Formats: sequence, structure tokens, C-alpha cells
Amino acid sequence: GQQLNQSPQSMFIQEGEDVSMNCTSSSIFNTWLWYKQDPGEGPVLLIALYKAGELTSNGRLTAQFGITRKDSFLNISASIPSDVGIYFCAGRYNAGGTSYGKLTFGQGTILTVHP
Amino acid sequence: GAVVSQHPSRVICKSGTSVKIECRSLDFQATTMFWYRQFPKKSLMLMATSNEGSKATYEQGVEKDKFLINHASLTLSTLTVTSAHPEDSSFYICSALILAEHSYNEQFFGPGTRLTVL
Repeated sequence: GQQLNQSPQSMFIQEGEDVSMNCTSSSIFNTWLWYKQDPGEGPVLLIALYKAGELTSNGRLTAQFGITRKDSFLNISASIPSDVGIYFCAGRYNAGGTSYGKLTFGQGTILTVHP
Repeated sequence: GAVVSQHPSRVICKSGTSVKIECRSLDFQATTMFWYRQFPKKSLMLMATSNEGSKATYEQGVEKDKFLINHASLTLSTLTVTSAHPEDSSFYICSALILAEHSYNEQFFGPGTRLTVL
């Protein structure tokens, strides 16, 4: 099946620094999503990307859908302590039928921000 | 909008008992909900897709008789862990697929349920 490789696995940064993480896939997706999960909570959708090459921002977050449809990156600018958490990429390829809407998740990037 | 709730948030049970977890879409109808399992500091593993009014579709390796799913209404899906054992201890998360008329369809996640089996 489809697999996502997300890197880095963890990051330790100082407040104010920029962060970049990415995901690559062995096969194409037609949707890329980025989620953030706080400890003991469910993931929250940050950015959704629907077209190859698309670049989308949400405040200090910017994400891009790779032109090959096999990768995506997420950048966080000027990090703050509340950015701490686990960030997941997720890809979807709608083949229809019972697989509609199913997501494949990356392994996650654990972000720690030091004040 | 797009709020998904789960109940209970935490449950501790004895080995051999069954536990039911509820997933509700509070402000929208969801014909499709998903159930995930997550181990500490690991990714989300899809267990099954729950479709309102029909049988759930289970992922490979997930025992359907062990993890019973019922999606009896457009706002409620339940996951019952039958005869729970310590290895079933995990964080269970549901999501609901929102079907927006003039937008794309995305999953919104519940806050999760921490199951501990003694």
C-alpha cells in the first residue's frame, strides 16, 4: 500500500526560528493535508492542498503540494512556544468506493520550541 | 463548525470486559466516520471505515469481531472493544467526513479516548 515518509522525526528549536518539515510518498496523491496534534488530543487540520504545485498559507504556516504529487512540505515561520506538538502529513488518493476519503498518515514530526 | 466529540475521554477496565466508545458529529451529519488507533508518539493507524446504515469496512489485520463498529445514525458511530486485553490499551481516535456542498470533503477528528486495560 501507499507509504508516507515524514522527516525530520523530531526538532528542537529556539523560539523565533523557522521550521521546515516534509513528506514524500512512493505513489501519487491528489490531496495533501497537514495536521497538528497536541498531547492527549485529536489532530487538528492546519492546511489542505488540492492541486499539484499549490502553495497555501495559514498565518505563520505555509505548505506546498509538490509538482510530482508525491511530496509536500510545511514551513512554520517565527516559531512560538504554542507551536509545540506533533505535526502529521496525510495524503489521500480517492479511488472511490469504500476507499473514499481514506487518509494515509506520515510518521509525524515532534516539535519542541525552547523559549 | 465541524466539531466531533468522543465519549468517554478516558476509560480503565479489567481484562475480559467490553468497552464502548462513542463518536458524535455535533453540528453536521456524517455518513462516513473513521476509527483510528494510535500508540505513544506514533502515527495514526486506520482501523475501519464506518458508513451509516451499512457494515463497517475493516483494514487488513483488524479483527472485526474484536472491534465492533455501529454507525446507526448520521451523527453517531460507536466502537466496542470486546473482551479487552492489556494489548488493546491505546489511544482511539475517531473522525467524521464532512461533505460540504461547495467545498472539498475533509475529516475532522475527535479528541480521542484513552483506553487502559488492566
